[in-house]
Amino acid sequence: QKEVEQDPGPLSVPEGAIVSLNCTYSNSAFQYFMWYRQYSRKGPELLMYTYSSGNKEDGRFTAQVDKSSKYISLFIRDSQPSDSATYLCAMATSGTYKYIFGTGTRLKVLA
Amino acid sequence: DTGVSQDPRHKITKRGQNVTFRCDPISEHNRLYWYRQTLGQGPEFLTYFQNEAQLEKSRLLSDRFSAERPKGSFSTLEIQRTEQGDSAMYLCASSDRGYERTTEAFFGQGTRLTVV
Repeated sequence: QKEVEQDPGPLSVPEGAIVSLNCTYSNSAFQYFMWYRQYSRKGPELLMYTYSSGNKEDGRFTAQVDKSSKYISLFIRDSQPSDSATYLCAMATSGTYKYIFGTGTRLKVLA
Repeated sequence: DTGVSQDPRHKITKRGQNVTFRCDPISEHNRLYWYRQTLGQGPEFLTYFQNEAQLEKSRLLSDRFSAERPKGSFSTLEIQRTEQGDSAMYLCASSDRGYERTTEAFFGQGTRLTVV
């Protein structure tokens, strides 16, 4: 079993929809949770960085962490065709420098 | 300079040849990481530097791989005697020191290696 599980998709939604992307994990020591967006043949771009449990909002993006369920989510409101990309979740334990990534979910927002 | 810079962006090489990639981190970031990403997978950790010290190497980093960060600024990743299985995107990331806090890592655009 992988430490971080993520549905690879693809997930197709119409423009303007609310998108929900999720990851589950098995290591209860994870304290830091990140979401990256990666366009084809590009490097990952950091979207959200959160510590421990709770919600964090940045523009159209909201990250949620539920440590009791070992489950994290990224919500995208008013999705746009330009949001079409692969979304990677990443996690790290406290004081470490090594991120553990999910496999990524491919998102397609249809105009 | 506002981001992590990697060079070259693409490299095609014949099996058995040596290749070297360069990474320039964000200025004043003292942590530098190398990851490898294959198609359909998330990035996998290879190695980590704090300043010029290489503090951890993954088991993925066979003895054909060597990474350096001689002056604590840019870093190089060399692959000797390349094999077809080395074909992947090699990603560099950097972050500042967080004093026991795990800090945000920012990635470069990657070097895509194809071994033929």
